[in-house]
Amino acid sequence: GEDVEQSLFLSVREGDSSVINCTYTDSSSTYLYWYKQEPGAGLQLLTYIFSNMDMKQDQRLTVLLNKKDKHLSLRIADTQTGDSAIYFCAESTNTDKLIFGTGTRLQVFP
Amino acid sequence: EAQVTQNPRYLITVTGKKLTVTCSQNMNHEYMSWYRQDPGLGLRQIYYSMNVEVTDKGDVPEGYKVSRKEKRNFPLILESPSPNQTSLYFCASSLFSTGGYEQYFGPGTRLTVT
Repeated sequence: GEDVEQSLFLSVREGDSSVINCTYTDSSSTYLYWYKQEPGAGLQLLTYIFSNMDMKQDQRLTVLLNKKDKHLSLRIADTQTGDSAIYFCAESTNTDKLIFGTGTRLQVFP
Repeated sequence: EAQVTQNPRYLITVTGKKLTVTCSQNMNHEYMSWYRQDPGLGLRQIYYSMNVEVTDKGDVPEGYKVSRKEKRNFPLILESPSPNQTSLYFCASSLFSTGGYEQYFGPGTRLTVT
């Protein structure tokens, strides 16, 4: 079945880059997403990548996709305290379901 | 303002007492979904709906019911809540199905079943 895994915590210093990793098992994934959840709020889409791409850049965000290894990463350049949140990786396949990872809590310290 | 609303935001109830969590979207989205969020487990899909009168089970449907009588509303019903349904619940909607379309999430409903 489908499974999406992430490490639970990441701590970085303000101004450094953050890299959040995700692995998935379903090779039929069509889209892969990164969502951000701030404290007490719902999730908001940060960015997504289609499965036939290997990289997508959007301002401070860079998404890398390695389809062979089923590995997705999100790099946040110049990480700020406002980036502290939980980041969820998610995949959609040929079904109508969206499978989320466990979430990575990013803590940014001064 | 385009949004997904959920009510109530917080609910404490007792085992076996039926409850409904409402969800409404004002974006004319066809696809709506319910998730529960538990520590260390991420978000798991409970039910989803492709359109009016079309609903289907997600990964954890046991103990839940849904209905989609109107496009904008997608209530979640717990006929006989149990403590293992204590969780944070999110409703979400998207224009069409999941492929490439952003899911818009409601603010969440924190449910405690004692």
